[in-house]
Amino acid sequence: AQKVTQAQTEISVVEKEDVTLDCVYETRDTTYYLFWYKQPPSGELVFLIRRNSFDEQNEISGRYSWNFQKSTSSFNFTITASQVVDSAVYFCALSEHTSGTYKYIFGTGTRLKVLA
Amino acid sequence: DAGVTQSPTHLIKTRGQQVTLRCSPKSGHDTVSWYQQALGQGPQFIFQYYEEEERQRGNFPDRFSGHQFPNYSSELNVNALLLGDSALYLCASSSGTGAHGYTFGSGTRLTVV
Repeated sequence: AQKVTQAQTEISVVEKEDVTLDCVYETRDTTYYLFWYKQPPSGELVFLIRRNSFDEQNEISGRYSWNFQKSTSSFNFTITASQVVDSAVYFCALSEHTSGTYKYIFGTGTRLKVLA
Repeated sequence: DAGVTQSPTHLIKTRGQQVTLRCSPKSGHDTVSWYQQALGQGPQFIFQYYEEEERQRGNFPDRFSGHQFPNYSSELNVNALLLGDSALYLCASSSGTGAHGYTFGSGTRLTVV
C-alpha cells in the first residue's frame, strides 16, 4: 500500500538554527512524484517542491534543501538558518497514479515552531 | 491571476443536515480534486473531477458527492452530516492529470454540532 510517514509530530528550534524534517514513503509504483507542502495558519497548502522518482539529485533553493534517497525511500527537507516565518505545518506527499490520473497520499505533517 | 477560490471559509451545521461547498479553480486549470483534512491529520483524497465527470474516488461513503460545471468550477456535497465530518475541506486544481502538482485553496472549515 502507498504510505507516507512523517515521524516527527512537532519540532521546536531557535531562530537561525538548521532543522531537518523527515519523510519516509512506501510505494509499489516505479514512477512516482514526491512533494513538500507548507501549511501556514491560514490553511492553504503552499507548494515547495516536486521530485520525480528518477531524479535523485539533491536540490537547494535559497535556505531550503531536499535530500531524496531512493535506496532508503526517504525525501528529507532541511531549512538552513530558520526564521520565525518558517513556523508552519509541513507535509510530505506521494503521488499515486490510478486510472490515468494522480492523487496525493499525504503524511500526517510536522509542526515546526521557530522561536525568536 | 487568482488562485483557487473556495467558499464559504467557515460553516457550522447540525448533525443530519446537508452542506454544499464551492470551488473555483486556478485560471487555466481544468481538473479539480477535493481533500478532507481532520484536525492534526494530513489531507485525505475524496474525489477528482475532470470534464464534468468523477474520474477517481477515495475511500469516502456515498454521502459525499460532487459536481463539476462547464466552467470547471466544482461543488462538494455532504448529506446526513456526522460529527466526524468536521474538518477543513481543501480544493485543489491542476491542468490535466495532476502529475506536475496541484494548487490548493485555503479551504472551508466545516464544524458539525
